[in-house]
Amino acid sequence: KNEVEQSPQNLTAQEGEFITINCSYSVGISALHWLQQHPGGGIVSLFMLSSGKKKHGRLIATINIQEKHSSLHITASHPRDSAVYICAVVRGPPDKLTFGKGTLLTVNP
Amino acid sequence: DTGVSQNPRHKITKRGQNVTFRCDPISEHNRLYWYRQTLGQGPEFLTYFQNEAQLEKSRLLSDRFSAERPKGSFSTLEIQRTEQGDSAMYLCASSPGGADTQYFGPGTRLTVL
Repeated sequence: KNEVEQSPQNLTAQEGEFITINCSYSVGISALHWLQQHPGGGIVSLFMLSSGKKKHGRLIATINIQEKHSSLHITASHPRDSAVYICAVVRGPPDKLTFGKGTLLTVNP
Repeated sequence: DTGVSQNPRHKITKRGQNVTFRCDPISEHNRLYWYRQTLGQGPEFLTYFQNEAQLEKSRLLSDRFSAERPKGSFSTLEIQRTEQGDSAMYLCASSPGGADTQYFGPGTRLTVL
C-alpha cells in the first residue's frame, strides 16, 4: 500500500463545476503540499499546509491531521485548470516529499 | 531571480552511455532535492543536499548514480552505463530550508534507447 493515496485518479468535469480531489496518507507528517503539474513536466506548489484550511483564489485546501486526510477543492472550474494535481507529504528531517500518483483533471468548456 | 533551472531539458541516449544533468537552484536556497518521475507515477525522492553536503540517498539511487553540489550552488546528477529503466523525468527542487515550500525546475526528460 502506498503511503500517499489520491482519489480519483482521473476526473472529467464541465466548466463551472465544483471539483474535489482527496488525499489520504498513512504516516506521520510535518506538512502536506498540493502541487500542480502541466503537460511537459513543470511542477508548481499550490499550497503547503499543516493544519486547517488555506484559500487562494478559486482553490481551497483543507487538512485533518487526526484523520490523515486532505482535500483540494476548485470552485467554478475552468479549462485552464486542466492538469495533474499531486498530493505530497513532508516527512522530516530532511523534509523530503513523498508523493501520491496524482489526479488527472480535465475540465471541458 | 528566474527560479530553478535544469539543463538539458531533453536527453536521448543509447544504453550504456553516461549522462549528466545540471540543476541551478534559486539563489541562497540551502536545500536541493532530486526526484525521479516515471510515466503515470508521482515523483520519487532520489537524494538531497544541505548546502554542499549530500545528506540522504534513496535506495533507488544505485551505484551507477552520483550527485554532487560543489560549493553549495548548482548540482549535477550523473548516470553511468544507462539502462532503459532509467528513462524518466528527473526533477530538481530547492528550498530555503526547514519545512519550506519546494520550488521545482522544469525537469530533464531522459530517454534511453
